Amino acid sequence: EAGVAQSPRYKIIEKRQSVAFWCNPISGHATLYWYQQILGQGPKLLIQFQNNGVVDDSQLPKDRFSAERLKGVDSTLKIQPAKLEDSAVYLCASRKPGTGSTGELFFGEGSRLTVL
Amino acid sequence: QQQVKQSPQSLIVQKGGISIINCAYENTAFDYFPWYQQFPGKGPALLIAIRPDVSEKKEGRFTISFNKSAKQFSLHIMDSQPGDSATYFCAAARIQGAQKLVFGQGTRLTINP
Repeated sequence: EAGVAQSPRYKIIEKRQSVAFWCNPISGHATLYWYQQILGQGPKLLIQFQNNGVVDDSQLPKDRFSAERLKGVDSTLKIQPAKLEDSAVYLCASRKPGTGSTGELFFGEGSRLTVL
Repeated sequence: QQQVKQSPQSLIVQKGGISIINCAYENTAFDYFPWYQQFPGKGPALLIAIRPDVSEKKEGRFTISFNKSAKQFSLHIMDSQPGDSATYFCAAARIQGAQKLVFGQGTRLTINP
């Protein structure tokens, strides 16, 4: 079974530029998450999708971050304009349907963003 | 109320020793407590998890101890091996309503050969 795929793995941009990250979850996983992991900290949830609907985006800085999951499969996370404090690893995760909160999260390898 | 506090930030243990990582939570509504293991350049992966109806869960060399009254839980790694060197995250969630997982700050564990 293929894992969660993310791209690009690394991205370096200047502040105020824009960037987009892509995620392809494990086939059949209806729930998809984007987490932000700042160096030395635990992952922080940015947004949770159930199929193509948003379940929780309470911690997403909506003035600069946006995410979509068209057709309930792939997802894109965009940052525009980027700030220095957005430097982090952006992790995508998915969960099997029907497992609820106790279901294992399957994480991708992440996209490391450096904002100069 | 949503925080999970983890300690220590870093830990060095000799091969064969016991590694202990502690977590404390505030929200008494949390009822699911997993531990995730993360190797450099990789995403976190589920290691072991516990629900508060038991005080201990063991899987191989990994044990979670849970103290509901103190709102604390810990991960014990017995006979620690160099391959266990990684960052470990505790987490907590409310099961009802598929609430989000809240992660601790992480512990970087190094096992010296």
